[in-house]
Amino acid sequence: QVRLQEWGAGLLKPSETLSLTCAVFGESVSGYSWTWIRQPPGRGLEWIGEINHSGRATYNPSLKSRVTISVDTSKNQFSLKLYSVTAADTAVYSCARDFTYWGQGTLVTVSS
Amino acid sequence: DIQMTQSPPSLSASVGDRVTIACRASQSISTYLNWYQQKPGKAPKLLIYTASTLQSGVPSSFSGSGSETHFTLTISSLRPEDFATYYCQQTYTTPRTFGQGTTVEIK
Repeated sequence: QVRLQEWGAGLLKPSETLSLTCAVFGESVSGYSWTWIRQPPGRGLEWIGEINHSGRATYNPSLKSRVTISVDTSKNQFSLKLYSVTAADTAVYSCARDFTYWGQGTLVTVSS
Repeated sequence: DIQMTQSPPSLSASVGDRVTIACRASQSISTYLNWYQQKPGKAPKLLIYTASTLQSGVPSSFSGSGSETHFTLTISSLRPEDFATYYCQQTYTTPRTFGQGTTVEIK
Protein backbone atom coordinates (compact mmCIF):
# COMPACT_ATOMS: atom_id res chain seq x y z
CA GLN A 1 0.00 0.00 0.00
CA VAL A 2 1.47 3.33 -1.05
CA ARG A 3 1.52 6.01 1.63
CA LEU A 4 2.82 9.56 1.53
CA GLN A 5 3.55 11.81 4.49
CA GLU A 6 4.52 15.47 4.37
CA TRP A 7 6.42 17.40 6.99
CA GLY A 8 8.04 20.78 7.38
CA ALA A 9 7.74 24.12 9.10
CA GLY A 10 4.15 25.25 9.52
CA LEU A 11 4.68 28.93 10.27
CA LEU A 12 6.86 31.25 8.22
CA LYS A 13 7.50 34.97 8.03
CA PRO A 14 7.26 36.87 4.74
CA SER A 15 10.40 36.52 2.59
CA GLU A 16 11.40 33.20 4.21
CA THR A 17 11.72 29.90 2.37
CA LEU A 18 9.04 27.23 2.59
CA SER A 19 10.63 23.80 2.82
CA LEU A 20 8.55 20.61 2.83
CA THR A 21 9.46 16.96 2.46
CA CYS A 22 7.25 14.07 1.40
CA ALA A 23 8.26 10.62 2.58
CA VAL A 24 7.09 7.77 0.40
CA PHE A 25 6.25 4.35 1.80
CA GLY A 26 5.42 1.22 -0.18
CA GLU A 27 6.81 2.51 -3.46
CA SER A 28 10.14 3.63 -4.82
CA VAL A 29 10.51 7.29 -5.76
CA SER A 30 12.68 6.11 -8.63
CA GLY A 31 9.52 5.41 -10.60
CA TYR A 32 6.38 7.44 -11.42
CA SER A 33 5.89 11.19 -11.19
CA TRP A 34 5.72 12.96 -7.85
CA THR A 35 3.68 16.09 -7.46
CA TRP A 36 3.07 19.00 -5.10
CA ILE A 37 -0.34 20.67 -4.92
CA ARG A 38 -1.60 23.41 -2.66
CA GLN A 39 -4.98 24.67 -1.51
CA PRO A 40 -5.44 28.06 0.19
CA PRO A 41 -7.99 27.95 3.03
CA GLY A 42 -11.52 27.80 1.61
CA ARG A 43 -10.33 27.84 -1.98
CA GLY A 44 -9.54 25.51 -4.86
CA LEU A 45 -6.57 23.36 -5.81
CA GLU A 46 -3.40 24.63 -7.47
CA TRP A 47 -0.77 22.39 -9.08
CA ILE A 48 2.68 23.55 -7.99
CA GLY A 49 4.83 21.17 -10.00
CA GLU A 50 6.07 17.65 -10.45
CA ILE A 51 9.23 15.63 -10.87
CA ASN A 52 9.38 12.52 -13.01
CA HIS A 53 11.32 9.28 -12.74
CA SER A 54 14.20 10.82 -14.64
CA GLY A 55 14.50 13.66 -12.14
CA ARG A 56 13.13 16.24 -14.55
CA ALA A 57 11.00 18.82 -12.78
CA THR A 58 8.20 20.91 -14.27
CA TYR A 59 6.74 23.91 -12.47
CA ASN A 60 3.67 26.10 -12.58
CA PRO A 61 4.66 29.31 -14.39
CA SER A 62 2.52 31.25 -11.88
CA LEU A 63 5.20 30.54 -9.28
CA LYS A 64 7.84 31.75 -11.70
CA SER A 65 11.33 31.04 -10.44
CA ARG A 66 10.43 30.70 -6.73
CA VAL A 67 10.01 26.91 -6.64
CA THR A 68 12.28 23.89 -6.67
CA ILE A 69 11.25 20.23 -6.46
CA SER A 70 13.88 17.57 -5.91
CA VAL A 71 14.09 13.85 -5.18
CA ASP A 72 16.29 12.00 -2.71
CA THR A 73 16.33 8.37 -3.75
CA SER A 74 18.53 7.35 -0.82
CA LYS A 75 15.81 8.43 1.62
CA ASN A 76 12.89 7.61 -0.68
CA GLN A 77 11.46 11.10 -0.42
CA PHE A 78 10.98 14.23 -2.45
CA SER A 79 10.97 17.86 -1.44
CA LEU A 80 9.53 21.27 -2.19
CA LYS A 81 11.16 24.62 -1.70
CA LEU A 82 9.27 27.87 -2.27
CA TYR A 83 11.35 30.99 -1.90
CA SER A 84 10.39 34.49 -0.79
CA VAL A 85 6.98 33.53 0.55
CA THR A 86 4.17 36.00 1.15
CA ALA A 87 0.78 35.73 2.85
CA ALA A 88 -0.63 34.59 -0.52
CA ASP A 89 1.37 31.37 -0.12
CA THR A 90 -0.62 30.37 2.96
CA ALA A 91 -2.19 27.04 2.08
CA VAL A 92 -2.45 23.34 2.76
CA TYR A 93 0.41 21.75 0.81
CA SER A 94 -0.01 18.16 -0.32
CA CYS A 95 2.22 15.69 -2.09
CA ALA A 96 0.90 13.04 -4.45
CA ARG A 97 1.89 10.21 -6.75
CA ASP A 98 0.21 10.43 -10.13
CA PHE A 99 -2.71 12.13 -8.36
CA THR A 100 -3.74 8.65 -7.20
CA TYR A 101 -2.08 8.57 -3.83
CA TRP A 102 -2.01 11.72 -1.70
CA GLY A 103 -0.48 12.72 1.59
CA GLN A 104 -2.79 14.12 4.25
CA GLY A 105 -1.58 17.66 3.60
CA THR A 106 0.16 20.12 5.86
CA LEU A 107 -0.90 23.69 6.57
CA VAL A 108 1.72 26.34 6.02
CA THR A 109 0.90 29.81 7.29
CA VAL A 110 2.85 32.90 6.28
CA SER A 111 2.44 35.74 8.74
CA SER A 112 4.56 38.49 10.20
CA ASP B 1 -2.80 27.79 -19.39
CA ILE B 2 -5.85 25.65 -20.02
CA GLN B 3 -8.82 26.99 -18.05
CA MET B 4 -11.20 24.48 -16.51
CA THR B 5 -14.71 25.73 -15.76
CA GLN B 6 -17.15 23.74 -13.67
CA SER B 7 -20.87 24.20 -13.35
CA PRO B 8 -22.74 24.65 -11.21
CA PRO B 9 -20.53 26.02 -8.39
CA SER B 10 -22.87 24.34 -5.93
CA LEU B 11 -26.04 22.33 -5.87
CA SER B 12 -28.50 21.00 -3.33
CA ALA B 13 -29.76 17.48 -3.70
CA SER B 14 -31.39 14.68 -1.74
CA VAL B 15 -30.24 11.15 -1.04
CA GLY B 16 -31.20 9.05 -4.04
CA ASP B 17 -31.09 11.92 -6.53
CA ARG B 18 -29.20 11.76 -9.80
CA VAL B 19 -26.59 14.50 -10.00
CA THR B 20 -24.60 15.76 -12.96
CA ILE B 21 -21.63 18.13 -12.80
CA ALA B 22 -20.20 19.72 -15.92
CA CYS B 23 -16.60 20.63 -16.68
CA ARG B 24 -15.47 22.59 -19.71
CA ALA B 25 -11.89 23.00 -20.92
CA SER B 26 -10.77 26.16 -22.71
CA GLN B 27 -9.15 24.01 -25.40
CA SER B 28 -9.21 20.37 -26.42
CA ILE B 29 -7.68 18.00 -23.87
CA SER B 30 -8.74 14.75 -25.54
CA THR B 31 -9.74 12.57 -22.56
CA TYR B 32 -6.96 13.70 -20.20
CA LEU B 33 -9.45 14.54 -17.48
CA ASN B 34 -9.58 13.50 -13.82
CA TRP B 35 -12.43 13.88 -11.33
CA TYR B 36 -11.87 14.12 -7.59
CA GLN B 37 -14.01 14.12 -4.46
CA GLN B 38 -12.88 16.16 -1.48
CA LYS B 39 -14.35 16.23 2.00
CA PRO B 40 -13.51 18.92 4.59
CA GLY B 41 -10.05 18.53 6.05
CA LYS B 42 -9.18 15.64 3.76
CA ALA B 43 -7.03 15.24 0.67
CA PRO B 44 -8.82 14.91 -2.67
CA LYS B 45 -9.71 11.38 -3.69
CA LEU B 46 -9.34 10.34 -7.32
CA LEU B 47 -12.67 9.05 -8.63
CA ILE B 48 -12.26 8.91 -12.39
CA TYR B 49 -9.31 9.24 -14.77
CA THR B 50 -9.06 9.53 -18.53
CA ALA B 51 -12.55 11.02 -18.43
CA SER B 52 -14.45 7.80 -17.90
CA THR B 53 -12.29 5.16 -16.17
CA LEU B 54 -13.40 4.43 -12.64
CA GLN B 55 -10.59 4.32 -10.11
CA SER B 56 -10.33 1.04 -8.21
CA GLY B 57 -12.65 0.94 -5.20
CA VAL B 58 -14.91 3.78 -6.35
CA PRO B 59 -18.61 2.86 -6.38
CA SER B 60 -20.21 2.24 -9.75
CA SER B 61 -22.75 4.96 -8.96
CA PHE B 62 -20.06 7.36 -10.21
CA SER B 63 -19.49 7.71 -13.93
CA GLY B 64 -17.71 10.12 -16.21
CA SER B 65 -18.08 10.99 -19.86
CA GLY B 66 -16.92 13.44 -22.46
CA SER B 67 -13.95 14.32 -24.61
CA GLU B 68 -12.19 17.31 -26.17
CA THR B 69 -13.68 20.22 -24.20
CA HIS B 70 -16.88 19.01 -22.55
CA PHE B 71 -17.04 16.53 -19.70
CA THR B 72 -19.56 15.39 -17.10
CA LEU B 73 -19.47 13.58 -13.79
CA THR B 74 -22.67 11.76 -12.90
CA ILE B 75 -23.70 10.28 -9.60
CA SER B 76 -26.60 8.00 -10.42
CA SER B 77 -28.04 7.83 -6.92
CA LEU B 78 -26.68 10.07 -4.18
CA ARG B 79 -25.65 8.41 -0.93
CA PRO B 80 -25.11 10.31 2.32
CA GLU B 81 -21.32 9.94 2.00
CA ASP B 82 -21.34 11.58 -1.45
CA PHE B 83 -21.98 15.08 -0.08
CA ALA B 84 -18.65 16.75 -0.78
CA THR B 85 -16.86 19.04 -3.20
CA TYR B 86 -15.94 17.71 -6.63
CA TYR B 87 -13.12 18.93 -8.85
CA CYS B 88 -12.16 18.24 -12.42
CA GLN B 89 -8.54 18.50 -13.58
CA GLN B 90 -6.85 18.32 -16.93
CA THR B 91 -3.64 16.29 -17.24
CA TYR B 92 -3.18 16.99 -20.96
CA THR B 93 -0.43 19.49 -20.37
CA THR B 94 1.31 21.51 -17.71
CA PRO B 95 0.33 23.42 -15.67
CA ARG B 96 -2.17 20.77 -14.72
CA THR B 97 -5.14 22.97 -13.95
CA PHE B 98 -8.20 22.27 -11.82
CA GLY B 99 -11.77 23.47 -12.03
CA GLN B 100 -12.97 25.71 -9.23
CA GLY B 101 -15.03 22.95 -7.66
CA THR B 102 -18.69 22.01 -7.27
CA THR B 103 -20.09 21.56 -3.78
CA VAL B 104 -22.88 19.02 -3.44
CA GLU B 105 -24.98 19.90 -0.41
CA ILE B 106 -27.85 18.18 1.32
CA LYS B 107 -31.24 19.62 0.40
